[in-house]
Amino acid sequence: DQQVKQNSPSLSVQEGRISILNCDYTNSMFDYFLWYKKYPAEGPTFLISISSIKDKNEDGRFTVFLNKSAKHLSLHIVPSQPGDSAVYFCAASFSGGYQKVTFGTGTKLQVIP
Amino acid sequence: DTGVSQNPRHKITKRGQNVTFRCDPISEHNRLYWYRQTLGQGPEFLTYFQNEAQLEKSRLLSDRFSAERPKGSFSTLEIQRTEQGDSAMYLCASSLPETGYEQYFGPGTRLTVT
Repeated sequence: DQQVKQNSPSLSVQEGRISILNCDYTNSMFDYFLWYKKYPAEGPTFLISISSIKDKNEDGRFTVFLNKSAKHLSLHIVPSQPGDSAVYFCAASFSGGYQKVTFGTGTKLQVIP
Repeated sequence: DTGVSQNPRHKITKRGQNVTFRCDPISEHNRLYWYRQTLGQGPEFLTYFQNEAQLEKSRLLSDRFSAERPKGSFSTLEIQRTEQGDSAMYLCASSLPETGYEQYFGPGTRLTVT
């Protein structure tokens, strides 16, 4: 049962343009959402998060949007840079308890110079 | 380097052998997690410790798997009688209790069972 879904396994974007990575979830009890970035031979690195009480959170070039009614979130990277090329994992959690994190399958982003 | 460290980084073993992996979390983090990641998948939760107490185990963690965190510091994950299906990347993460969802991952141990 894949509760967090990333339907695009890969995405290619030109340097300087916007990258949009999408994620859907099925468990309406999730109330905290995260994006992790992973380079080859490294563990995932926390990138940005959003609480369910917000619909947008921005950190520099990275913005996460949350649409609770659609159970959908997206990560926007503007402008995209070659160093952003990595696998991006969408993840969801609960703000209470021990905050178990459920990850999606990842989207491999390639930013073309 | 004060990040999460894991040893070994790679392990090749024959089916039926036992293997043990070690994770050293960030020193002030009292929460420690183990995940397994296979090709094309995201990390899948295996187990979780708060200090030395193992508080949650996934159904993915069969009887052949055991994890410990003595004294609430480093942790070990042991797999007994390895099977080819155990081949995967084993990731360790740690966090502060207030922000358990913001987890800091180690580089992982890649296990290959031949």
